[in-house]
Amino acid sequence: EVQLVESGGGLVQPGGSLRLSCAASGFTFSSSWMHWVRQAPGKGLVWVSQINTDGSNTRYADSVKGRFTISRDNARNTLYLQMHSLRPEDTAVYYCSAAGTGTFQSWGQGTLVTVSS
Amino acid sequence: QSALTQPPSASGSPGQSVTISCTGTSSDVGGYNYVSWYQQHPGKAPKLIIYEVTKRPSGVPDRFSGSKSGNTASLTVSGLQAEDEADYYCSSFAVNNLYVFGTGTKVTVL
Repeated sequence: EVQLVESGGGLVQPGGSLRLSCAASGFTFSSSWMHWVRQAPGKGLVWVSQINTDGSNTRYADSVKGRFTISRDNARNTLYLQMHSLRPEDTAVYYCSAAGTGTFQSWGQGTLVTVSS
Repeated sequence: QSALTQPPSASGSPGQSVTISCTGTSSDVGGYNYVSWYQQHPGKAPKLIIYEVTKRPSGVPDRFSGSKSGNTASLTVSGLQAEDEADYYCSSFAVNNLYVFGTGTKVTVL
């Protein structure tokens, strides 16, 4: 059974940093492209970032480009999202997702990031 | 990277059908056959129900079906059941290897 478990969320002040982790199991993590998707409270889903299997190719939404960095450790079956210069509008539940062909195939339960003073 | 447009709400009685539209552009929905649909119950993670416009993952009832015409994709839920009450989101692959989600539709079973 595919399992994705996010962690690392919490309360951070504007301008601060946070690193999210996503522990994967039940599938061949090293062969899977991965995504981060976020959802602000009461709002819709927004794609944040994508990474290929070996970490050599990454993509970002314009809203986070230059502030967020996606990475992975295939030896630890773990996906990361390093977030810097956080803004109140970054407040959201952050989901990691295992990619299918042009789709978001499996999802974690999400971790809440709150940016507030 | 503008969100795909979905109606805010849709409703139907048990046993009826409801169809949700998802309108984009030729740079996303119209340009690729990588439209997906997700079901999200309150407080839960999204669940993939349709991928590559028309395909259903194993375990998803055949009451859920997808289609596309031009820049608009659609999800139809036939034989509505109480457990179908949820938020539904479309997504599409887009130019420059990016992804975009729809604005979301709340489906109510009357």
